[in-house]
Amino acid sequence: DVKVTQSSRYLVKRTGEKVFLECVQDMDHENMFWYRQDPGLGLRLIYFSYDVKMKEKGDIPEGYSVSREKKERFSLILESASTNQTSMYLCASRGGRTYEQYFGPGTRLTVT
Amino acid sequence: QKEVEQDPGPLSVPEGAIVSLNCTYSNSAFQYFMWYRQYSRKGPELLMYTYSSGNKEDGRFTAQVDKSSKYISLFIRDSQPSDSATYLCAMIGNQFYFGTGTSLTVIP
Repeated sequence: DVKVTQSSRYLVKRTGEKVFLECVQDMDHENMFWYRQDPGLGLRLIYFSYDVKMKEKGDIPEGYSVSREKKERFSLILESASTNQTSMYLCASRGGRTYEQYFGPGTRLTVT
Repeated sequence: QKEVEQDPGPLSVPEGAIVSLNCTYSNSAFQYFMWYRQYSRKGPELLMYTYSSGNKEDGRFTAQVDKSSKYISLFIRDSQPSDSATYLCAMIGNQFYFGTGTSLTVIP
């Protein structure tokens, strides 16, 4: 079974803090994704990566950056957290030959 | 106009009812259509996957795609309380496009 794990289930940070969200997958997938999920807005793609050290902006990259130094790990960085970044953050991975995205359990981030 | 539209609900049905969940889309180039189920405080998981038009059945679940109308449906027969979740439709164009999700509660 594919497993996608995220470093924290719940996180509370203060405005202006630098925040790191980590995601690890164990299926040697090439593609990894970061989404945020908000009521009424659904899933919105922040960034994705199709290979180590490669990254592409999604629909809402502003205020975020990412890092993929190893194939199994994809990190989302909030350089200076703001209250409008309070959300559920979901990581996903996908193999090169399949269409299914496998999601992690999510990190609920609250910025106060 | 959004690429994918989905009624957010919430939808509440008695146990045993037939449930119909729907999405519309605007891009006629979409070929792959999926339904994800998301339980509370969990990530989405793939439920059904369909290529192009037609029906696909898996147990109590049937996915239907009508490309001429740009309309997809998920039917749940004999609904169970364990079906209570949010259901998201998803489609593949140059990236994944997700609906906003429909919240379903099946009352025992």
